[in-house]
Amino acid sequence: DTGVSQDPRHKITKRGQNVTFRCDPISEHNRLYWYRQTLGQGPEFLTYFQNEAQLEKSRLLSDRFSAERPKGSFSTLEIQRTEQGDSAMYLCASSLSQQGVSEAFFGQGTRLTVV
Amino acid sequence: GDSVTQMEGPVTLSEEAFLTINCTYTATGYPSLFWYVQYPGEGLQLLLKATKADDKGSNKGFEATYRKETTSFHLEKGSVQVSDSAVYFCALSDSNAGNMLTFGGGTRLMVKP
Repeated sequence: DTGVSQDPRHKITKRGQNVTFRCDPISEHNRLYWYRQTLGQGPEFLTYFQNEAQLEKSRLLSDRFSAERPKGSFSTLEIQRTEQGDSAMYLCASSLSQQGVSEAFFGQGTRLTVV
Repeated sequence: GDSVTQMEGPVTLSEEAFLTINCTYTATGYPSLFWYVQYPGEGLQLLLKATKADDKGSNKGFEATYRKETTSFHLEKGSVQVSDSAVYFCALSDSNAGNMLTFGGGTRLMVKP
């Protein structure tokens, strides 16, 4: 396994269009997280899954955002009716939940530009 | 809610200089603390971690000590190299919140030969 992979790496879209990103976590990891990072800032938590269940969503995740993780494997993040403020790097991370602290492994991200 | 504050950059140092990047946190529970590093063109990588008070995390010559009394987790390295040039993020996680990470704003380090 080569780590967390995200697709696409870059996406340019027109305002008002829908976009979907995909994340493939490390295969044995049961937790999957989505974060958003804007230029010059640290990543901000959006949502996370344990297996296929979406357990928490940030207030940052407006109704235009939806995430799924069917069968507890890969995950998709969809943004409907994109706005210029959605331009950011979208990061996916995965970890194995266990007693104590587990390391989160990050993908290289999908950079979204809304024009 | 939980928050992390770290010194703003960029921090510019000459090779072999001593590095300190300050990080303080606010948390309601007993968080674990992390430093992540982002090299140019690459994803975030865990640099080191500490899970309880007075723990010292260390890796690649970097170290940080979990100080509960000052709610701090400052990153230090005795002698930086050009290859250490990157953006460094301090973060905390709360096991009661699914271990999601709360990040600071990041500090860019530039090391000149």
